[in-house]
Amino acid sequence: SAVISQKPSRDICQRGTSLTIQCQVDSQVTMMFWYRQQPGQSLTLIATANQGSEATYESGFVIDKFPISRPNLTFSTLTVSNMSPEDSSIYLCSVVSLAGFNDEQFFGPGTRLTVL
Amino acid sequence: GEDVEQSLFLSVREGDSSVINCTYTDSSSTYLYWYKQEPGAGLQLLTYIFSNMDMKQDQRLTVLLNKKDKHLSLRIADTQTGDSAIYFCAESSGSARQLTFGSGTQLTVLP
Repeated sequence: SAVISQKPSRDICQRGTSLTIQCQVDSQVTMMFWYRQQPGQSLTLIATANQGSEATYESGFVIDKFPISRPNLTFSTLTVSNMSPEDSSIYLCSVVSLAGFNDEQFFGPGTRLTVL
Repeated sequence: GEDVEQSLFLSVREGDSSVINCTYTDSSSTYLYWYKQEPGAGLQLLTYIFSNMDMKQDQRLTVLLNKKDKHLSLRIADTQTGDSAIYFCAESSGSARQLTFGSGTQLTVLP
């Protein structure tokens, strides 16, 4: 299985600031996704991170609020911009690996964000 | 849009079998997944099943898929206290691989 790391693992931020979350995979992957898990809730897809081009956002999520980069096959960043307390969530990246069966989708450990 | 539903809670005695159920609405679902989330942790992929299968077994885990009824279940044999966690089912369709998740089932294993 792919080994995925995220930085930071957790952070406490002030309202109005921005935080960039990094996702690093130990092998080349075909697809990378960013999900949000609000407190006590299930996971919701934010966007698909496309290598070398703009991310594909789901309904309710926009690039100005959640800019995403994916410069290569193993790395992506998600920025949460102009944060408010409603952005307090766990943010998880997930990948579909080239190395394994491409039916398997793995998740990173998540970044727990608290906005004051 | 797609919808995935699960019951919220399940309690079982240690050593018994647990059965966690899931229903989905997207008839074009191609892959169905079960993930486990322990407190404060990320999601661990337990198993998945392709939609042209009706059963998959992996050690203590058995997945049953009734495609006609759009019903998926996860059976955990000989449930242990370490199995206490939230279990999410998820579905994806086509080549896009985006996952739609259920609400999660909190499994509590009682001694």
